Amino acid sequence: DTAVSQTPKYLVTQMGNDKSIKCEQNLGHDTMYWYKQDSKKFLKIMFSYNNKELIINETVPNRFSPKSPDKAHLNLHINSLELGDSAVYFCASSQDFGQGDSPLHFGNGTRLTVT
Amino acid sequence: GQNIDQPTEMTATEGAIVQINCTYQTSGFNGLFWYQQHAGEAPTFLSYNVLDGLEEKGRFSSFLSRSKGYSYLLLKELQMKDSASYLCAVRDQGDYKLSFGAGTTVTVRA
Repeated sequence: DTAVSQTPKYLVTQMGNDKSIKCEQNLGHDTMYWYKQDSKKFLKIMFSYNNKELIINETVPNRFSPKSPDKAHLNLHINSLELGDSAVYFCASSQDFGQGDSPLHFGNGTRLTVT
Repeated sequence: GQNIDQPTEMTATEGAIVQINCTYQTSGFNGLFWYQQHAGEAPTFLSYNVLDGLEEKGRFSSFLSRSKGYSYLLLKELQMKDSASYLCAVRDQGDYKLSFGAGTTVTVRA
């Protein structure tokens, strides 16, 4: 199936731990994103990569570090997890970063719970 | 950046029509998207508007007025499966960033 897939779907961990979320897309898209959706369902962009190059880096704590080994993969590593990091993290991809009508295709999300 | 406003909740009856409004303010406009998100699932793309006017796609239509900073999503012949959150998103012309509104939760009653 062509899709954006991210793992794990659920992640429960304790404060202070380090964790990673992986994302892969087989749509042949050039651009990938990480979005955070909080308890109020507000989707906020965190990072965007275009052909492995970081192009959007919102005001996100430097405990969050994205890595794109190739344009089909964008992983998110989080150090020293805090309670406020609990949220659903969505990976997404789009055909082209600069093209206006290029919609985002989202993965199914990773629900992170920090205890 | 953008300010995007849409109502928090709407309720409608099966078979009826519902219109979800979205207003936005942006320093540079490069398109408006509507997404549907069922509880616990990923957002899925519904429609795209960049020019003024109405875009129709089956039971769903989306309208844009750039001069008013206004869009609406029209859902016709509502079905129970249309119960979901509907997200308005605006793409910025400068950095091409896609920013989302907080979403409108639509509940369809029998």
